[in-house]
This record gives sequence, C-alpha cells and structure tokens, in this order.
Amino acid sequence: TQLLEQSPQFLSIQEGENLTVYCNSSSVFSSLQWYRQEPGEGPVLLVTVVTGGEVKKLKRLTFQFGDARKDSSLHITAAQPGDTGLYLCAGAAGDRDDKIIFGKGTRLHILP
Amino acid sequence: EAQVTQNPRYLITVTGKKLTVTCSQNMNHEYMSWYRQDPGLGLRQIYYSMNVEVTDKGDVPEGYKVSRKEKRNFPLILESPSPNQTSLYFCASSWGPYSNQPQHFGDGTRLSIL
Repeated sequence: TQLLEQSPQFLSIQEGENLTVYCNSSSVFSSLQWYRQEPGEGPVLLVTVVTGGEVKKLKRLTFQFGDARKDSSLHITAAQPGDTGLYLCAGAAGDRDDKIIFGKGTRLHILP
Repeated sequence: EAQVTQNPRYLITVTGKKLTVTCSQNMNHEYMSWYRQDPGLGLRQIYYSMNVEVTDKGDVPEGYKVSRKEKRNFPLILESPSPNQTSLYFCASSWGPYSNQPQHFGDGTRLSIL
C-alpha cells in the first residue's frame, strides 16, 4: 500500500523564522503535489513537482522533490501569520495511478 | 467562475435516513472524486470517476455509492447512514489524477449522523 507520511504533524513558530516540513514515502511517485487548506475551505494547490531533484519556488516557499521521487519537502523562509494553515502533500497511487492519496498533513501556526 | 459546488454545506440527520450530497463542476473536467476528512486520518478518497459512467472505489468506499451520469455531476449517496460516517466531505475535480493535474475542491459538506 502506498502511503505518504508527513512530518511534523504540528508546528508552531514565531513570525520571521524559517521552517521545513516533509512528505516521505517508501514508494516512487511520478509527481507530488502540495496543497494548503484553511479552516472551512477545501485544499488549494500550491505546486506540483514532477522531476526527481526538482526545486520550485513560490515567493518565500521552496519545494523540493527528492532525487528518487520518494519524498518532498516544503521550506518557508521568514514565515508570516498568513502562512498559517494545514499543508498537505498528495500523489497518484494504485495499479493504474488513478487514485489520489494524501498525507495526513502538517498543521502550521505562525505566531505574530 | 471556475468552481466545484457542493450541497448542502451542513447536514444533521439520523441513522438510516438516506441522503445525497450533490457535486457539480463547470470546468468540463473528466476526473471527479469524493473524499472524507477526519481528525488524525487526513483526506481519504471514497470514490472516483475517470469519466461518465466510469466509477471506481477509493480507499474507504464502504457505505457509500456514487453515480456519474453526466460529466459535470458526481453525487455521493449514503443509502443507510451511520454515525461513523459523520465527517467533513469534499468533492474535487481535475483533468485527470496523473502527473501535474491540480485537484479543484469544493468548500466541503459537514455531515453529522445522529
């Protein structure tokens, strides 16, 4: 069974600090996606990483896909209260890659 | 505006009373899914559909039914709801599950089964 494990589960840090959250698997994924979810809303896609070793930047957010395509990380520089939310990674799974699985998420709280 | 619309947003009902949660998308997407989100368990896929008349089980299909008679609609049916189906439900659509296809989510349906 393919699984995506995210760590840490919870993270509370001061505004201005840097942080990294992780999404790991023992399985290879053709691509991984990162979503952010705010209370009362559905997840919203932040980025998709496709190539092993790929690094993508979205303002203060940097996403990396592991060389072996089994893991990914999200690094936030100078965190702001607006970054608060639930961060989820997701990938296609199943024999035909037609299912979607999500990690359980990292709940991030940035203190002003 | 491109969107996925779920109804109702909130529902409180009783065990055994059949209910349907509707989902509609206006992006002409082929792939649609239902998820449930529970504390500590994350988002889990219930059913998905690759296209009209094509549906398949996700990770937690027990107690649910779906249908895909039209491309834009993908209702979730609970024939005999039970308290363990109390959860937050999301419908999502995309061009496909593979590669770099973003999932577009509805705003969710909070379902309570008493």
